[in-house]
Amino acid sequence: EDKVVQSPLSLVVHEGDTVTLNCSYEVTNFRSLLWYKQEKKAPTFLFMLTSSGIEKKSGRLSSILDKKELFSILNITATQTGDSAVYLCAVPNSGNTPLVFGKGTRLSVIA
Amino acid sequence: GAGVSQSPSNKVTEKGKDVELRCDPISGHTALYWYRQRLGQGLEFLIYFQGNSAPDKSGLPSDRFSAERTGESVSTLTIQRTQQEDSAVYLCASSAHRDQPQHFGDGTRLSIL
Repeated sequence: EDKVVQSPLSLVVHEGDTVTLNCSYEVTNFRSLLWYKQEKKAPTFLFMLTSSGIEKKSGRLSSILDKKELFSILNITATQTGDSAVYLCAVPNSGNTPLVFGKGTRLSVIA
Repeated sequence: GAGVSQSPSNKVTEKGKDVELRCDPISGHTALYWYRQRLGQGLEFLIYFQGNSAPDKSGLPSDRFSAERTGESVSTLTIQRTQQEDSAVYLCASSAHRDQPQHFGDGTRLSIL
């Protein structure tokens, strides 16, 4: 069965800290891995990593995919209170498009 | 519209009633998805529409759940004879193509009394 496991489940840091969120996955026929940020409502798309794009960066956020070890990390540098959210990792399940989501990492950034 | 639109944003109903949730995808997106998110839990896939193909209903938890989509436009998720365990946020997403990122609506928060 396809599986996505995120760690830690929750994290509290101070503004300015750097954080690393982890996502490991087990899926046959890997196609992509996606990261989303969920604040109060809709998950917001951050990155999609594929075999041809294993590293992405946008501002203070960056993500790397390790296809050999079957995991991805999401890095946030110089964290701000606005980064407080649940970060979700997801992969399309084998043979189908719908995403299998991890339970998320709840990040709290305090001033 | 600019993004995925869902209505209503909140719905409170009594156990045993039927409810209909609506999703307007991003214009031009051929793929549409419904997910359920229980309090403190991850997203759970319900159903997926791709163009005019038969929908993938493999995630629907029971025959009380059904969904329709007309062409590449609006979709409606219907829950019949609601139960308290149906209380959750129901999220809709759409993507331009099956291998493109999914973009989510704000969801409908359903509360069954």
